[in-house]
Amino acid sequence: TQLLEQSPQFLSIQEGENLTVYCNSSSVFSSLQWYRQEPGEGPVLLVTVVTGGEVKKLKRLTFQFGDARKDSSLHITAAQPGDTGLYLCAGDRGSTLGRLYFGRGTQLTVWP
Amino acid sequence: EPEVTQTPSHQVTQMGQEVILRCVPISNHLYFYWYRQILGQKVEFLVSFYNNEISEKSEIFDDQFSVERPDGSNFTLKIRSTKLEDSAMYFCASSGSGYEQYFGPGTRLTVT
Repeated sequence: TQLLEQSPQFLSIQEGENLTVYCNSSSVFSSLQWYRQEPGEGPVLLVTVVTGGEVKKLKRLTFQFGDARKDSSLHITAAQPGDTGLYLCAGDRGSTLGRLYFGRGTQLTVWP
Repeated sequence: EPEVTQTPSHQVTQMGQEVILRCVPISNHLYFYWYRQILGQKVEFLVSFYNNEISEKSEIFDDQFSVERPDGSNFTLKIRSTKLEDSAMYFCASSGSGYEQYFGPGTRLTVT
């Protein structure tokens, strides 16, 4: 059983399209982080959301934390080929040092 | 921009041998972590470390694993007697807050 379910698993779109990827759980998280990972490299932190209902924007990327702090979404506007990569969500269930539980990720491919 | 570094980038070892994976966390961070990612699978937590003590460890982190901060800059993961199933990417992460974790590029461990 996955603590964090990410959907879709794969997403292939044309440049300029908008997209949303989801990260869902039945558990409550004290914070949730989104990372991007390239093949053979470590996850790179994009954003951390902490408050239920919180929305954060990073250029064309919009991140939302659900009101109940059980889910999150990542919306990309006008996707570009440079957005291609594996997007991971990771949640902290409130342990002392913030042990992260990762989802399996969404592999995004943006075609020119 | 400060970053987490890891050495070596790739380690090949024979089953039963000891390996030490090294990490230099971001300099003013106080919280340290090890995660691993078996090929094609999600990132999994191994251990968190603060104030020269293990804060939390997962069920993966058995007696064959140990961590140490031997000096003011390095953080190491030792696997005493490697098994084939220890083959994975091992990521070190550090945090200044316990919230946002910054990952290194990883060490690919191959056990033959």
